[in-house]
Amino acid sequence: DAMVIQNPRYQVTQFGKPVTLSCSQTLNHNVMYWYQQKSSQAPKLLFHYYDKDFNNEADTPDNFQSRRPNTSFCFLDIRSPGLGDAAMYLCATSRDRVTSTDTQYFGPGTRLTVL
Amino acid sequence: GDSVTQMEGPVTLSEEAFLTINCTYTATGYPSLFWYVQYPGEGLQLLLKATKADDKGSNKGFEATYRKETTSFHLEKGSVQVSDSAVYFCALSTPGGYNKLIFGAGTRLAVHP
Repeated sequence: DAMVIQNPRYQVTQFGKPVTLSCSQTLNHNVMYWYQQKSSQAPKLLFHYYDKDFNNEADTPDNFQSRRPNTSFCFLDIRSPGLGDAAMYLCATSRDRVTSTDTQYFGPGTRLTVL
Repeated sequence: GDSVTQMEGPVTLSEEAFLTINCTYTATGYPSLFWYVQYPGEGLQLLLKATKADDKGSNKGFEATYRKETTSFHLEKGSVQVSDSAVYFCALSTPGGYNKLIFGAGTRLAVHP
């Protein structure tokens, strides 16, 4: 089945130790999104790629970066994780971003713990 | 800025009870509205959507109507099942907003036999 895959599902890192989360998709969608969801809060968009065009949200900390080497894969890099970065990280895709009606397809998420 | 407000949970119901989860929004322009559901251990799945005023989205027995006059998109189901136990998120996206989703905080539903 076409889907959005995130690896790993659970990631434990140490304070200040760089970590990379992975997302892949078989939908061949142009747009890939990364959301952060802290405990009992709403998912919040960090950034998105439209093809190779990177778009950062204004309030996303510099500590968070992303790479999209090809259509299928997108990575979230946290350069120096702090305790406040512990959260569920959700990857999503959509076919396009021109309209506001396109469905976003989500992966199962990666739960990040920072010790 | 744009925002979504959902009723707080958890909501606990007996099987076959009627469900309402309230959702209101604040947005400039004319947003599209969505309900996503997250089952335990899984990602978010689109449950239903509506893209203009008075549209009704429906799926799997769930319904929600886009009410512009009250800026609401309440989720309803006539008879819930144990398998409906999940977290439900109301969300919006606005034209020109590159399809960015703005979510409510989510409402946890627990259905008991």
